[in-house]
Amino acid sequence: QVQLVESGGGVVQPGRSLRLSCAASGFSFTSSAMHWVRQAPGKGLEWVALMSSDRSVKYYADSVKGRFTLSRDNSNNALYLQMNSLRVEDTAVYYCARGMYSSGPLDYWGQGSQVTVTS
Amino acid sequence: QSVLTQPPSVSGAPGQRVTISCSGSRSNIGAGFDVHWYKQLPGSAPKLLIYGDSNRPSGVPDRFSGSKSGTSASLAITGLQAEDEADYYCQSYDSSLSAVIFGGGTKLTVL
Repeated sequence: QVQLVESGGGVVQPGRSLRLSCAASGFSFTSSAMHWVRQAPGKGLEWVALMSSDRSVKYYADSVKGRFTLSRDNSNNALYLQMNSLRVEDTAVYYCARGMYSSGPLDYWGQGSQVTVTS
Repeated sequence: QSVLTQPPSVSGAPGQRVTISCSGSRSNIGAGFDVHWYKQLPGSAPKLLIYGDSNRPSGVPDRFSGSKSGTSASLAITGLQAEDEADYYCQSYDSSLSAVIFGGGTKLTVL
């Protein structure tokens, strides 16, 4: 069955870095667009970033542009989010999700990874 | 402030019909980009409920339906049940932002 498993979350001080990973299985990762979506405590969903299956398209939310970098390893069915210069407002549960197509619906979601930025 | 506007909350009695609106603009819903809907239970990841404006993934009951007109979209739930109590989010794409966008979410309470 489809599985998306995030890892790499934790507690970090403002200004530091963290790298999230998402291990995918049960579907064709190499032909799938992949997203990161986050949810701050008690808040709604916020889209973070998108990478197309062939890496040709990479979009970021304005709130993370220039600080976060997406990458993927199609040979290992893995997606990564490098988060630099973290801010308190980046505190959230980060979900990895598959896109049916680049601008389309997110049909599979991971369980989420908690990132807490605090001094 | 979300690019897509949803009511913060809606409520209904068991068996009733409720609708949740999602208002956008000419650069997203009005430009013809698809609208998708998600259901999220507390402590869980979101689940795709409606995609491509009005299509239901396998396993989603036909009590759930979606529609779109102009710069707005709606999610309708008929025959309300206790397990429908959750947060609901709409999602689309914005060409001006080159970004995927979510509505702020609507909390559905079953009275």
